[in-house]
Amino acid sequence: DAEITQSPRHKITETGRQVTLACHQTWNHNNMFWYRQDLGHGLRLIHYSYGVQDTNKGEVSDGYSVSRSNTEDLPLTLESAASSQTSVYFCASAKNTDTQYFGPGTRLTVL
Amino acid sequence: SQQGEEDPQALSIQEGENATMNCSYKTSINNLQWYRQNSGRGLVHLILIRSNEREKHSGRLRVTLDTSKKSSSLLITASRAADTASYFCATDGYGNKLVFGAGTILRVKS
Repeated sequence: DAEITQSPRHKITETGRQVTLACHQTWNHNNMFWYRQDLGHGLRLIHYSYGVQDTNKGEVSDGYSVSRSNTEDLPLTLESAASSQTSVYFCASAKNTDTQYFGPGTRLTVL
Repeated sequence: SQQGEEDPQALSIQEGENATMNCSYKTSINNLQWYRQNSGRGLVHLILIRSNEREKHSGRLRVTLDTSKKSSSLLITASRAADTASYFCATDGYGNKLVFGAGTILRVKS
């Protein structure tokens, strides 16, 4: 069955370190998204991609970057982790503007 | 800024009762979606209603959309303990991107 996976599921890192969160989908969807979820804020869009080599900034993109070298993967990189980036991160993919399919999430703690 | 705002923030009901959650948004939309999130999990799509639709049903779910008031409601009938989750509305008022509200936490007591 097609799916979307994220790794790692839990990560603890230190301030200033570079961290990369992986997202892999097997639906062959063109659209992929990264969100962060914090209490009281719902989900906020970090970056998104509509296809290979396409990346776009979302609402809260500062301090994050993505790259899209193939259809299946959209890794999210925190260039220099900050405590304010402690959050739960969700990746999602979609065929079009309709249903998004979410991964299980990565809980990131920055100490 | 959030496009969708859910109301209430939290709702606690007894098993068998109906649960109603509301969502308001700010800009014109093509469609509005509702998602459910169980504790510690990713979001799961429940239902999508397009801007030219007023009501849609899926099993025990009923969604209404009033584009003149920029609002939607999600009704869960005959609730079960397994319906305990957070519920989010999402709108596509900004191109292909979805904007999510802060969610309603539903607790169904058995």
